[in-house]
Amino acid sequence: GQNIDQPTEMTATEGAIVQINCTYQTSGFNGLFWYQQHAGEAPTFLSYNVLDGLEEKGRFSSFLSRSKGYSYLLLKELQMKDSASYLCAVRDGRYGGATNKLIFGTGTLLAVQP
Amino acid sequence: DVKVTQSSRYLVKRTGEKVFLECVQDMDHENMFWYRQDPGLGLRLIYFSYDVKMKEKGDIPEGYSVSREKKERFSLILESASTNQTSMYLCASSQTTTEQYFGPGTRLTVT
Repeated sequence: GQNIDQPTEMTATEGAIVQINCTYQTSGFNGLFWYQQHAGEAPTFLSYNVLDGLEEKGRFSSFLSRSKGYSYLLLKELQMKDSASYLCAVRDGRYGGATNKLIFGTGTLLAVQP
Repeated sequence: DVKVTQSSRYLVKRTGEKVFLECVQDMDHENMFWYRQDPGLGLRLIYFSYDVKMKEKGDIPEGYSVSREKKERFSLILESASTNQTSMYLCASSQTTTEQYFGPGTRLTVT
């Protein structure tokens, strides 16, 4: 089966660090994406992991462990504008990556408080 | 910059009407996707296309059809709109292995 789990909501304080976890069970794996979605807007791409380890991009980092079916998104120096939903998505490996079909989690709503 | 546009931001239709949602991308992407997004359910794939005139069913294709006559345009058709199709509809496009780029979305209300 195909299943992606993320916490529904998280709260953090401005200036702090927050880690959003994602676990997945999918038929085949061919890469994991993180997207940010502000209320009423379209998702925008944040990061991509296909190999184990940490990918860093400014204040945002993403980690992947394929053996554990686990990823996290790390947000440092939180700002109020980081309040948004964060979506974890896994490329459906059944197609061998040929079609780039993604399976999305339901998203984690992050509230950053002053 | 990649640009994905959708024909309407807001749409109100009556039950039983035929509804067309249009999506256009300007980056020559092979893949195009139609999702709907509902609270608590996340993004669910309706249909996708990996080439002109090619289409594949996603996870929830019932009640929908699609058309891709040109590479840049992917249309979603609700043959007979029903109230349970009230939702946010998002179109996306991508190259074969890169991230998907999303359009601004169409909030459809069926009354």
